[in-house]
Amino acid sequence: EVQLVQSGAELKEAGQSLKISCQGFGYSFTSYWIAWVRQMPGKGLEWMGIIYPGDSDTIYSPSFQGQVTISTDKSINTAYLQWSSLEASDTAMYYCARRYNSVSRPFDYWGQGTLVTVSS
Amino acid sequence: SSELTQDPAVSVALGQTVRITCQGDSLRNYYASWYHQKPGQAPVLVIYGQDNRPSGIPDRFSASNSGNTASLTITGAQAEDEADYYCSSRDKSGNHLDVFGTGTKVTVL
Repeated sequence: EVQLVQSGAELKEAGQSLKISCQGFGYSFTSYWIAWVRQMPGKGLEWMGIIYPGDSDTIYSPSFQGQVTISTDKSINTAYLQWSSLEASDTAMYYCARRYNSVSRPFDYWGQGTLVTVSS
Repeated sequence: SSELTQDPAVSVALGQTVRITCQGDSLRNYYASWYHQKPGQAPVLVIYGQDNRPSGIPDRFSASNSGNTASLTITGAQAEDEADYYCSSRDKSGNHLDVFGTGTKVTVL
């Protein structure tokens, strides 16, 4: 069974750093892109960026370029999303999602989400 | 990056049919995928490509495309279909960027 399991909720202060994780189970982790998606409270889904664990090729949305870093450790089937200096506006739910290898590129499996709360 | 626009909210009577639309330039060249999201839960893929449903998704969900508009139709809406619905597609640049629609709240009356 394919699963993406994310790390637990985080409560941080503005200016702190943070790295959250997404571990894949039940499939070839290196063969599928993993995306990170932000959902601010009461708002819609925002595509942040994506990484291919096979070769660590990474693409960022222009809106998030320079604001976060996406990485992977394929030896433990895990993708990461990190911030060097959090802001209160980073408060949101963050999902990882596997992108299926078809022409339409759907996100077929999702993690349970990691709630990040940043106090100012 | 591209934009995908959806109506903010629609309502449908129990058992009736509702269509949700997603508009954007990238849809002239690329198919959309559709997700529903219930409160407190992660999104779930319901339709992708021309009209493909993942295992476990009922056949009352169907998709269609015309010009710059993708549509998701729920035929015979059930109470459990009440959710937020999002489309996604490739960015019109055609590289590995993707984009989500603005989302539609579907209420089943």
